[in-house]
Amino acid sequence: ILNVEQSPQSLHVQEGDSTNFTCSFPSSNFYALHWYRWETAKSPEALFVMTLNGDEKKKGRISATLNTKEGYSYLYIKGSQPEDSATYLCAPPNQGGKLIFGQGTELSVKP
Amino acid sequence: DTGVSQDPRHKITKRGQNVTFRCDPISEHNRLYWYRQTLGQGPEFLTYFQNEAQLEKSRLLSDRFSAERPKGSFSTLEIQRTEQGDSAMYLCASSLGLAVNIQYFGAGTRLSVL
Repeated sequence: ILNVEQSPQSLHVQEGDSTNFTCSFPSSNFYALHWYRWETAKSPEALFVMTLNGDEKKKGRISATLNTKEGYSYLYIKGSQPEDSATYLCAPPNQGGKLIFGQGTELSVKP
Repeated sequence: DTGVSQDPRHKITKRGQNVTFRCDPISEHNRLYWYRQTLGQGPEFLTYFQNEAQLEKSRLLSDRFSAERPKGSFSTLEIQRTEQGDSAMYLCASSLGLAVNIQYFGAGTRLSVL
């Protein structure tokens, strides 16, 4: 059974601050890691799918890195904006492609 | 195609009643997943389909839960004799099947059991 941990559980920042969160997962039998953003009353939205150790992906002000040997991924948001307020979820897929989610990091950005 | 849709968005029911939720996936996606999310937790896997075949069910899915995907298109999730502990957000996602492929989620059905 995969155990996926995310920290912190919640984060409150001011507009313009840069921030980062951590996702820890078992490093054995790794083959992918998904990051999602989930805004209230909307669908979870895929940000990245990462597969290779050392992978770095970027989408606008959001970027992510992956270390499969030690089992962690970082998500960075540069210059946070109020519209970045959401819950950020990471999930390695397990057998059959089912996603095993962490509990999420809830980000609140104050204007 | 506008993505994955779920119906209803909200459902309030009394304990002991049966409820059914529907998910319409992206049309060319062969995989369909159901997840459940409770307050303060990430979504938890419930079951998934490859086309019309239900390939796996989580231990979270008691005998009161049943899911179908007739003809490999839309899917339904039924909960019989609802309990207060069933109150949660039920999410549906679809994908092209490989673990590295993005799963596209619906907005979910929020169930409240009174």
